[in-house]
Amino acid sequence: SYVLTQPPSVSVAPGQTARITCGGNSIGRKRVHWYQQKAGQAPVLVVYDDSDRPSGIPERFSGSNSGNTATLTISRVEAGDEADYYCHVWDNSSDHGVFGGGTKLTVL
Amino acid sequence: EVRLLESGGGVVQPGGSLRLSCAASGFNFANYAMSWVRQAPGKGLDWVSTITPTGGRSYNADSVKGRFSISRDNSKNTLYLEMNSLTAEDTAVYYCAKGRLVVTSLESWGQGTLVTVSS
Repeated sequence: SYVLTQPPSVSVAPGQTARITCGGNSIGRKRVHWYQQKAGQAPVLVVYDDSDRPSGIPERFSGSNSGNTATLTISRVEAGDEADYYCHVWDNSSDHGVFGGGTKLTVL
Repeated sequence: EVRLLESGGGVVQPGGSLRLSCAASGFNFANYAMSWVRQAPGKGLDWVSTITPTGGRSYNADSVKGRFSISRDNSKNTLYLEMNSLTAEDTAVYYCAKGRLVVTSLESWGQGTLVTVSS
């Protein structure tokens, strides 16, 4: 089965840039989506199809995807960005949805 | 405004059954694929099942295959998850979510319903 690997945690100071990676075999060939989940809340889509943003999501959130790594970049990090972030793909080989294990973003 | 409201969660004994529902509003339900995603306490997101807009095809995680069944009633704008042979490992918050297609992102999520499997 297809596996997505994320770092368990990322820490960044306010105003700096956070980069959260999502590793998978030839993930560059798949569409990657990213979700933000704040404590006690449902997930919210922040980036879809590698690099597109839903309406209402700040431009500070961006994504890229190439080779074996997809990356969610959060620029000018704010305290309110502290949350768990998950990457997600649809694996056509198995016809299964797949989530990464999640990354806890801590704003120092 | 898109609204997804899950219901049907609760406490069930190991080996028991439960049926979850997800009432949808604010969008053309019949035009969207729908999914169930669960989250065990303190754990990450875990994809469970997805169904096509017409309900003609469904997809299930290996961990629930043969035990869980996803279905939908487009006339009632409602998504279902029938869960049988439940084990402690199925304890989780179950979210329903909508996506334009089976392969696309989950663009809106409900608030979830908690299923606890315990004797």
